[in-house]
Amino acid sequence: KQEVTQIPAALSVPEGENLVLNCSFTDSAIYNLQWFRQDPGKGLTSLLLIQSSQREQTSGRLNASLDKSSGRSTLYIAASQPGDSATYLCAVVDTNAGKSTFGDGTTLTVKP
Amino acid sequence: DVKVTQSSRYLVKRTGEKVFLECVQDMDHENMFWYRQDPGLGLRLIYFSYDVKMKEKGDIPEGYSVSREKKERFSLILESASTNQTSMYLCASRIAGSSYNEQFFGPGTRLTVL
Repeated sequence: KQEVTQIPAALSVPEGENLVLNCSFTDSAIYNLQWFRQDPGKGLTSLLLIQSSQREQTSGRLNASLDKSSGRSTLYIAASQPGDSATYLCAVVDTNAGKSTFGDGTTLTVKP
Repeated sequence: DVKVTQSSRYLVKRTGEKVFLECVQDMDHENMFWYRQDPGLGLRLIYFSYDVKMKEKGDIPEGYSVSREKKERFSLILESASTNQTSMYLCASRIAGSSYNEQFFGPGTRLTVL
């Protein structure tokens, strides 16, 4: 059974710092990996989707990488801002029935 | 932009009531999903639907049922609400034909069962 782990569970950084969030998964038989942002009490907003054949995706200050063989993905946030404060979740879509497995998320706080 | 809407942001119901949670998407997506999110347990899949009138059980279907009579609408039904169904419920949709595509989520419904 696929398991997705995100470490650390919480991270606090000063504004302007570059940071990396980690996501690891146990079964490399995936279609894709998706990073989401969730603000308190809200739904999930899709940030980046990396197909299993890709190594990375970029959107603005965000860059996500995928190393399927080692079961790891990272989300790099450049020049962090207080508005980046949120919980970031990763999810993998298994080749078995196309279901998603989510990590528990990393709660990021960016201090002004 | 894809829009996924849920009928209520907050809902309070009593034990034993029948509860309907509605989800509508406007992008002609075939695949739709219902999750619940609980602290310490993350997001768990309740039911999903690959297309109209199709449904598949997820990881925690007990106590729930679903209905997909129209492509754009996916309803989650709590036949007899219980306090352990107090949770955040999230609906999502995805383009069909490939599991390579993004999931898009609605804003969530915070359900409290008293």
